[in-house]
Amino acid sequence: DSGVTQTPKHLITATGQRVTLRCSPRSGDLSVYWYQQSLDQGLQFLIQYYNGEERAKGNILERFSAQQFPDLHSELNLSSLELGDSALYFCASSGGGSRGDTQYFGPGTRLTVL
Amino acid sequence: EDQVTQSPEALRLQEGESSSLNCSYTVSGLRGLFWYRQDPGKGPEFLFTLYSAGEEKEKERLKATLTKKESFLHITAPKPEDSATYLCAVQAVGDYKLSFGAGTTVTVRA
Repeated sequence: DSGVTQTPKHLITATGQRVTLRCSPRSGDLSVYWYQQSLDQGLQFLIQYYNGEERAKGNILERFSAQQFPDLHSELNLSSLELGDSALYFCASSGGGSRGDTQYFGPGTRLTVL
Repeated sequence: EDQVTQSPEALRLQEGESSSLNCSYTVSGLRGLFWYRQDPGKGPEFLFTLYSAGEEKEKERLKATLTKKESFLHITAPKPEDSATYLCAVQAVGDYKLSFGAGTTVTVRA
């Protein structure tokens, strides 16, 4: 158990809908990262928040957005869903240290868009 | 752009048959190289962080090494419970994201 929690575990929805994925980082970790894992793309970085502020952005679609709240939990919002958005979405957290800080991953949310 | 290439894509081993996985990387400046283990449908589980060429780390039957261009994950006398996908990732200097390779899927038969 990494200490990172994600809800829900599974999500099934239809095209055009909007969903929210939730992540609670390990106790004391200030950084939260979101990754998408699909069969053809592997693990891809989406976005990072540090202590409530956006710090880095990857190839995140404009239909996707995220935020980190004062209690440090984070939410990833996916809207106007398409079939191709079906994937595993992982949240990771790290302590924000200065030397290649290790990211610990949650169990993931499996999103299926029908 | 950071690039990570892992080989082989898949590896089938007999229990007790030692082997090595390769991770070749291209990065402007290496901040850290990370190894993770991932079971099907689960989140990546952290194994090792390596920071500089020549560094080695061990954990049970696993040993990770790092050169300036690649890293190796050696599996000594593997057991069926070592079956998983092993992922390599790099973090560049001045960056925070991890860039992952496609992984090596290891199957250990009893």
